[in-house]
Amino acid sequence: QQQVKQSPQSLIVQKGGISIINCAYENTAFDYFPWYQQFPGKGPALLIAIRPDVSEKKEGRFTISFNKSAKQFSLHIMDSQPGDSATYFCAAKGSNYKLTFGKGTLLTVNP
Amino acid sequence: NAGVMQNPRHLVRRRGQEARLRCSPMKGHSHVYWYRQLPEEGLKFMVYLQKENIIDESGMPKERFSAEFPKEGPSILRIQQVVRGDSAAYFCASSLDRGWTEAFFGQGTRLTVV
Repeated sequence: QQQVKQSPQSLIVQKGGISIINCAYENTAFDYFPWYQQFPGKGPALLIAIRPDVSEKKEGRFTISFNKSAKQFSLHIMDSQPGDSATYFCAAKGSNYKLTFGKGTLLTVNP
Repeated sequence: NAGVMQNPRHLVRRRGQEARLRCSPMKGHSHVYWYRQLPEEGLKFMVYLQKENIIDESGMPKERFSAEFPKEGPSILRIQQVVRGDSAAYFCASSLDRGWTEAFFGQGTRLTVV
């Protein structure tokens, strides 16, 4: 049972464009939704995270939009740069310690 | 380097051999989590340990896999009699406490079974 569904699987964006990655979850007990960025050969690094009491969180060029009623959240990368090319994972966590990850989105930003 | 340290970074084992993966948590962190990443997949929780205790091993296969986090030294994930299907990236994360909002991941160990 895949509790966090992520789309698209891959995404190609031109430099300066907006990258949008979407995730949907099933477990209403989840209360923490982080996004991780992973470069080849590296471990996942926390990019930005949100709790369901807010609908949007912005940090620099990265924004999370959260829709609690639809059980969906998305990552928006504004002014995408080639250096943003990486795999992005959404995840969700409840009151315990386990992170449930989506399958990842391979983002390629063309110069 | 104050980050989570994993070694080796790459490990090649023949079928039937044992694989030992090590993880040193961030300084001051006493909670360690192991995740496995299969190709084209997200990370899957395997086990959660505190010093000298296994708290939750619900994500770990019942056979051949074991984990420990001794009082002194790194956490060890051990895979006995490896099979091709064990080939994956194994990531360790650590946190300051159980109710963490951020766990820090190591760079992973890429295990290849030939």
